[in-house]
Amino acid sequence: KAGVTQTPRYLIKTRGQQVTLSCSPISGHRSVSWYQQTPGQGLQFLFEYFSETQRNKGNFPGRFSGRQFSNSRSEMNVSTLELGDSALYLCASSLDASGSYEQYFGPGTRLTVT
Amino acid sequence: AQSVTQLGSHVSVSEGALVLLRCNYSSSVPPYLFWYVQYPNQGLQLLLKYTSAATLVKGINGFEAEFKKSETSFHLTKPSAHMSDAAEYFCAVSVINDMRFGAGTRLTVKP
Repeated sequence: KAGVTQTPRYLIKTRGQQVTLSCSPISGHRSVSWYQQTPGQGLQFLFEYFSETQRNKGNFPGRFSGRQFSNSRSEMNVSTLELGDSALYLCASSLDASGSYEQYFGPGTRLTVT
Repeated sequence: AQSVTQLGSHVSVSEGALVLLRCNYSSSVPPYLFWYVQYPNQGLQLLLKYTSAATLVKGINGFEAEFKKSETSFHLTKPSAHMSDAAEYFCAVSVINDMRFGAGTRLTVKP
């Protein structure tokens, strides 16, 4: 079974631009979560989608948004990029959102904002 | 909300020595607990998980963790460290659809 895939793997953007990251979960997984990982803040939860509905959201500004499609693929968008948005963005999928199911992580998208 | 505290941001052991990575959790309801490992430039990989079936959980690569409710702990151990164990390790607690990660512990293995 193919793992979680994220595209692109690397991205360089300038301040003020917007960016869209894509995540394809493991086949059959309906829950997709997004995380931001930085050296200073560690792993921070962005949001979680289940069956196209946002079920949970972390403490990030409205510039960060996401969506999930009917095939469970998910995208996240960051508008008006800031230097502090430079990070590794990780996507994780799970069978469902009950909490007992482990999350499977993709390799991440490394975003650099200049 | 639930939370996780990992004691020690850096742990260094000699090859062949015991590995002990500490994790304490806080949760108002019975939690699900996980340990993940992250190698450089990769995503997180599940090592093991606790879902209340057994307090001693065995995972991949020789790792195991023991759930101790009285101490609210879920420490990760491995009897003998290998050079390939050098990585960053994350403890996580999950309630319903909300998973929270600890800050991580970077494990260094000296030859």
